[in-house]
Amino acid sequence: EVQLVESGGGLVQPGGSLRLSCAASGFTFSGVWMHWVRQAPGKGLEWVSRISGDGSDTAYADSVKGRFTVSRDNVRNTLYLQMNSLRGEDTAVYQCARDPCPAGVCRFESWGQGTLVTVSS
Amino acid sequence: DIQMTQSPSSLSASVGDRVTITCRAGHNIVSSVNWYQHKPGKVPELLIYLASNLQNGVPPRFSGGGSGTDFTLTISSLQPEDSATFYCQQTYSTPYTFGQGTKLEIK
Repeated sequence: EVQLVESGGGLVQPGGSLRLSCAASGFTFSGVWMHWVRQAPGKGLEWVSRISGDGSDTAYADSVKGRFTVSRDNVRNTLYLQMNSLRGEDTAVYQCARDPCPAGVCRFESWGQGTLVTVSS
Repeated sequence: DIQMTQSPSSLSASVGDRVTITCRAGHNIVSSVNWYQHKPGKVPELLIYLASNLQNGVPPRFSGGGSGTDFTLTISSLQPEDSATFYCQQTYSTPYTFGQGTKLEIK
């Protein structure tokens, strides 16, 4: 059974940093793309970042580019999101998602429950 | 960035009704559209991928269509458990933008 479990969220002051983790199990972690998606309170889904199976290819939303860094450890089967220079508008539930992207047909087949990040003084 | 404009933003329908949600891309994205259902307190669930392909385990009352810039999600006969927010998403190019969501209420 595919499982994705996020951790690392919490309350942080504006300008601060936080590192989120997503522990994966039940599938071949190194064989899939992984994504971070967030949902601010009362808002819709916002794609944040993606990383290829071997970690060589990454991409970011304009709203987080230069502040957030996605990475992965294929030995520990864990995805990370390093978030720096946090702003109030980064307050959201952050979810990781699994994307097997077979033959380039990318879709988010499994999601974690999410971890809440609150940026406030 | 490719904008995804979804409509309506909300709708109310009765059990048994046929419901259609539309999504317009700001750029030709061929068929690179997915649809998700998101219920409060649950994780989003993939319904449709590549515009018209039903994800394994999803009831056949859900269907998707369209290509290029205009896409649809149709529920052929609405059921009480279909109450949720529905999102389209383009995976043609990063950033993988979502539509703003359609909140579906069952009367």
